[in-house]
Amino acid sequence: AQSVTQPDIHITVSEGASLELRCNYSYGATPYLFWYVQSPGQGLQLLLKYFSGDTLVQGIKGFEAEFKRSQSSFNLRKPSVHWSDAAEYFCAVLGAGGGNKLTFGTGTQLKVEL
Amino acid sequence: DAGVIQSPRHEVTEMGQEVTLRCKPISGHNSLFWYRQTMMRGLELLIYFNNNVPIDDSGMPEDRFSAKMPNASFSTLKIQPSEPRDSAVYFCASSFQAHTDTQYFGPGTRLTVL
Repeated sequence: AQSVTQPDIHITVSEGASLELRCNYSYGATPYLFWYVQSPGQGLQLLLKYFSGDTLVQGIKGFEAEFKRSQSSFNLRKPSVHWSDAAEYFCAVLGAGGGNKLTFGTGTQLKVEL
Repeated sequence: DAGVIQSPRHEVTEMGQEVTLRCKPISGHNSLFWYRQTMMRGLELLIYFNNNVPIDDSGMPEDRFSAKMPNASFSTLKIQPSEPRDSAVYFCASSFQAHTDTQYFGPGTRLTVL
């Protein structure tokens, strides 16, 4: 079955600094990969997804992610973080081997210092 | 579109009581998902429906949990009897197609069982 690892539980960056959130997945075939963001007290909002094609995916709010098969990674990046980006970020993988379930990582809490 | 609607937003109940959580998916979406989010276990898929039919309920923790989808615009998740360990945030999500399409999440129901 597929799994997702987000090695960083908490990350703090200064406003205007660049950001990279790490995500590693385990799945035998080419996975479908997602990044969601959850603001306090809110549901999850999709930032971007990768199904196939160009390995650099653009999402909403200025985020992008790069799929690297050789590293089994799908890291999320943003060149300049805004205070409103403070939230929890979840990486998720969908794979047929897991019964078509969307499996989420444990999340990374992002704090933005002004 | 109003998005996925969940009610109630907050529920506080006593152990042993029946709890019913409600969800209205986005109109036109064919798939509906129930998730549970806790600090210890993160986001877990409990059950999902496709065209009102339960497809996979392997994530339902035990027989105290049941879910129904009597029509395309309404679903319930019921816990009877409730226990303190059921305290969590329960999310409903919907998508046009199961899993391969973007899942849109509701704001969640925060359940506290005393």
